Amino acid sequence: GQQVMQIPQYQHVQEGEDFTTYCNSSTTLSNIQWYKQRPGGHPVFLIQLVKSGEVKKQKRLTFQFGEAKKNSSLHITATQTTDVGTYFCARAGSYQLTFGKGTKLSVIP
Amino acid sequence: DADVTQTPRNRITKTGKRIMLECSQTKGHDRMYWYRQDPGLGLRLIYYSFDVKDINKGEISDGYSVSRQAQAKFSLSLESAIPNQTALYFCATAAEYSNEQYFGPGTRLTVT
Repeated sequence: GQQVMQIPQYQHVQEGEDFTTYCNSSTTLSNIQWYKQRPGGHPVFLIQLVKSGEVKKQKRLTFQFGEAKKNSSLHITATQTTDVGTYFCARAGSYQLTFGKGTKLSVIP
Repeated sequence: DADVTQTPRNRITKTGKRIMLECSQTKGHDRMYWYRQDPGLGLRLIYYSFDVKDINKGEISDGYSVSRQAQAKFSLSLESAIPNQTALYFCATAAEYSNEQYFGPGTRLTVT
């Protein structure tokens, strides 16, 4: 499947700082999904973005889909220790998902 | 989600052994998936099924086989386990015409 590149691979932040992870594709995406996996847990669906330039918010989380539909970002404002985990983007096609390698977020209290 | 269960949760087996991982769901979803997760590599699709009579290979199907015994059950088999199949395995489900996937708790498999 066509890959999605996710950066950074790791991010350590002080509690209260902001965090952003980026997802990039060389080809146009029909949509992009984001999942969160807590340590020792399983991936949990956060959101799906479909429209060019779309911005969606979930409390302190802001998700964006690029105008060209080739990139997406997840921004967390004022991180908390509950935000710890790995965040994955995934491109959807033919009801299959191709996942990025994830960004592992550590929050220092 | 408790709606998707996997057994066993942990398994240690020896090289060459046959092993089956099982997934059951009560969500009533038609679509079921098997992934493996390795550190730093994300989730990679092994096999998927859109209904009981449908089986499709994913990105990394070599060395694996699956069986969709019923709408609610999807099993993954390793016919002859090898050490590089040591990984965390996840089952997932999705409703028809939906891309949102619901994951089981995972099976941690170690092949020695």
